[in-house]
Amino acid sequence: EVQLVESGGGLIQPGGSLRLSCAASGFTVSSNYMSWVRQAPGKGLEWVSVIYSGGSTYYADSVKGRFTISRDNSKNTLYLQMNSLRAEDTAVYYCARDRGAVGNFDYWGQGTLVTVSS
Amino acid sequence: SYELTQPLSVSVALGQTARITCGGNNIGSKNVHWYQQKPGQAPVLVIYRDSNRPSGIPERFSGSNSGNTATLTISRAQAGDEADYYCQVWDSSSYVFGTGTKVTVL
Repeated sequence: EVQLVESGGGLIQPGGSLRLSCAASGFTVSSNYMSWVRQAPGKGLEWVSVIYSGGSTYYADSVKGRFTISRDNSKNTLYLQMNSLRAEDTAVYYCARDRGAVGNFDYWGQGTLVTVSS
Repeated sequence: SYELTQPLSVSVALGQTARITCGGNNIGSKNVHWYQQKPGQAPVLVIYRDSNRPSGIPERFSGSNSGNTATLTISRAQAGDEADYYCQVWDSSSYVFGTGTKVTVL
């Protein structure tokens, strides 16, 4: 059974850093395209970043230069390192899988809440 | 950057048909995917590649895509279909979501 479990969210002050984790089971992270998608309170879905199976990474303009996506193949885990956090980064962060051939997300985690506030 | 526009809300009577549109420049040339999201839950894929249903999704959900508009159709609407719906495409190494539509079943 495919499962994605996020962790690492919490309350952080503006300018601070946080690392989110997404532990996967039932499939191999490195064989898929893995993304982070976020949703601010009461707002819509916003794609944040993707890491391709080949290792290439891409970011939304809103986080470019501040966020870094990575994976640990030995732990079958996806990460999102978030630096220089701003109030507008407050959101539920989901990890999601794209099998790569179609460009959609067939599995999502339950999400982890990041609150940036002083 | 590519943009997808959806109506803010759609209302449908119980048992009737709801149609949710997703507008984008020449969207008919792209693969469009649709997600259902209920309060407090993660999104669920209901239609992929314009008109295909993942296993477990009722036949009441269908999709089409042509020109500048993609459409998600919910037939014989049920109370359990009340949710937010998002369209999504892949464009230039990024994923683009629509603005989202809240569906209310009356």
